[in-house]
Amino acid sequence: GAVVSQHPSWVICKSGTSVKIECRSLDFQATTMFWYRQFPKQSLMLMATSNEGSKATYEQGVEKDKFLINHASLTLSTLTVTSAHPEDSSFYICSAPWTGGREKLFFGSGTQLSVL
Amino acid sequence: EDKVVQSPLSLVVHEGDTVTLNCSYEVTNFRSLLWYKQEKKAPTFLFMLTSSGIEKKSGRLSSILDKKELSSILNITATQTGDSAIYLCAVGPDKLIFGTGTRLQVFP
Repeated sequence: GAVVSQHPSWVICKSGTSVKIECRSLDFQATTMFWYRQFPKQSLMLMATSNEGSKATYEQGVEKDKFLINHASLTLSTLTVTSAHPEDSSFYICSAPWTGGREKLFFGSGTQLSVL
Repeated sequence: EDKVVQSPLSLVVHEGDTVTLNCSYEVTNFRSLLWYKQEKKAPTFLFMLTSSGIEKKSGRLSSILDKKELSSILNITATQTGDSAIYLCAVGPDKLIFGTGTRLQVFP
């Protein structure tokens, strides 16, 4: 089946620094990828839709300048958390839709971000 | 505003019990409803439902969609400790809106 790879799995950083998270579709092309955020004991919240070759579409309440998304190729999308603050500490997970099989959406393994 | 609500939020049972998890939705563009199981990190796919009244089964798990009631249920029979997880319901098409999740704990 299709695989989505996400790196890093976890990251600890200082307040004020920026952190980049990568999401790659390994054996299929993804013109669209989705970025979710999950706080402890809460559900997945869609942050933005990453579009290859164009600007990302952000959900209401998500700061574009804070969470920079770049979809550089058909297999890679990146999320950069800029000037991270402790309240940005969360689990971030990407996903990509695949039209080749019954499972419509494949998830990366997620990134646990801790900002000190 | 699109909304997906799951109930109960939390469930604690003993091995062997049967559980029913509920999902209701209000979305402007419904195409499919998906169930996922999340144990530690990435959710794993369970079912995708698009047609009302057709039950999907996989081992001890089954699910059915009711488009008239805008809801779905996920049944797990003869629960095992390995079923302990958060069960997420999401409504499509591609930009999935996730529900609140149901945290299931199965004790021996």
